[in-house]
Amino acid sequence: GAVVSQHPSRVICKSGTSVKIECRSLDFQATTMFWYRQFPKQSLMLMATSNEGSKATYEQGVEKDKFLINHASLTLSTLTVTSAHPEDSSFYICSTSGPDTYGYTFGSGTRLTVV
Amino acid sequence: RKEVEQDPGPFNVPEGATVAFNCTYSNSASQSFFWYRQDCRKEPKLLMSVYSSGNEDGRFTAQLNRASQYISLLIRDSKLSDSATYLCVVNDQAGTALIFGKGTTLSVSS
Repeated sequence: GAVVSQHPSRVICKSGTSVKIECRSLDFQATTMFWYRQFPKQSLMLMATSNEGSKATYEQGVEKDKFLINHASLTLSTLTVTSAHPEDSSFYICSTSGPDTYGYTFGSGTRLTVV
Repeated sequence: RKEVEQDPGPFNVPEGATVAFNCTYSNSASQSFFWYRQDCRKEPKLLMSVYSSGNEDGRFTAQLNRASQYISLLIRDSKLSDSATYLCVVNDQAGTALIFGKGTTLSVSS
């Protein structure tokens, strides 16, 4: 089946540093990638939608200068959390729409802890 | 206004029990409906899609009432392995982002 590989699965970083999360579609082309964030006991909240070769669309309340998204190829999308703070500690997960029209493939998630 | 609402639970049931989860959604134009399962600290995994005619997959039965904007999931003969968080998920348009409820936590004990 379709696979989206997400790395790292877990990261601990110091406050003020940046962290990059990668999502790769291994056996299909991901034109669109959705980035979600999930706080404990909360739902997955959409942060942004990226389309290959164009600027990402951010949801209301998500700072585009803080959460940098790059989708330079059909198989790779990255999310960089810049100048991370403890309140950015969360579970970040990517998802593509596809490979078929009604299917969604999720990465395995990244648990970010900022200390 | 929350787009997808679920009773968070937790639902604590013994093995073999039947348990039902409910969900409501706010956008009457939503097109697709799903139940996902999420284990602790893992990505969500599709349990089943939900159709207007109702659908069943083994011990799991899903129902959709578009007029009431209501979705349900029934689990029969609960197993220990059913312990997880069940997410009600709505999609307004194919290819757009999924909209998740907060999830309902189920704990099945022996």
